[in-house]
Amino acid sequence: AQSVTQLGSHVSVSEGALVLLRCNYSSSVPPYLFWYVQYPNQGLQLLLKYTTGATLVKGINGFEAEFKKSETSFHLTKPSAHMSDAAEYFCAVSTFPGTASKLTFGTGTRLQVTL
Amino acid sequence: DTEVTQTPKHLVMGMTNKKSLKCEQHMGHRAMYWYKQKAKKPPELMFVYSYEKLSINESVPSRFSPECPNSSLLNLHLHALQPEDSALYLCASSQAMLSSGNTIYFGEGSWLTVV
Repeated sequence: AQSVTQLGSHVSVSEGALVLLRCNYSSSVPPYLFWYVQYPNQGLQLLLKYTTGATLVKGINGFEAEFKKSETSFHLTKPSAHMSDAAEYFCAVSTFPGTASKLTFGTGTRLQVTL
Repeated sequence: DTEVTQTPKHLVMGMTNKKSLKCEQHMGHRAMYWYKQKAKKPPELMFVYSYEKLSINESVPSRFSPECPNSSLLNLHLHALQPEDSALYLCASSQAMLSSGNTIYFGEGSWLTVV
């Protein structure tokens, strides 16, 4: 079975500071990894994903993540936080039953951005 | 157009009522999903339809009945729900290709309150 673990249910950073949200995965096969963001009272929006190829993945809104197989990690970073980044962030791993993808989510990290 | 549309956005129903949640996508995706999300928790998979056939049922109680009338529409029929079923119900879709790296696109969700 595949799973992801997000370290830190709540992260607080100052506006302009580095954002680092941690995600570690467990998988018996090469994983496909995703980061989704959920703003209050909204659905989930894809930030970025890793499937194959380049291990540094760039996403929307200035976010990026690096797949590190040796560390089984897929941490999300942004050089400079903005107030609008305050949201819930979910790391997810994709499994493949049949002809559809199936996402398994981590428990989420709430990002708070302060002035 | 990467959009999954869900209606209604908010629904309040009694425990003896019958109601339905509706979902529509026009991205040509052949896999569609229902997720349930409780407050401060990650989404949990309920059902997966692939090519209009039920592919996965994550042991969901029979008071939830999914239906996929065609490749663009997905319904969730609700009957005799319990207050603990109150949650955000998310519809999603993806290409039903033989790849677990497919992006799953989420709708804004339907907020369900059972009274």
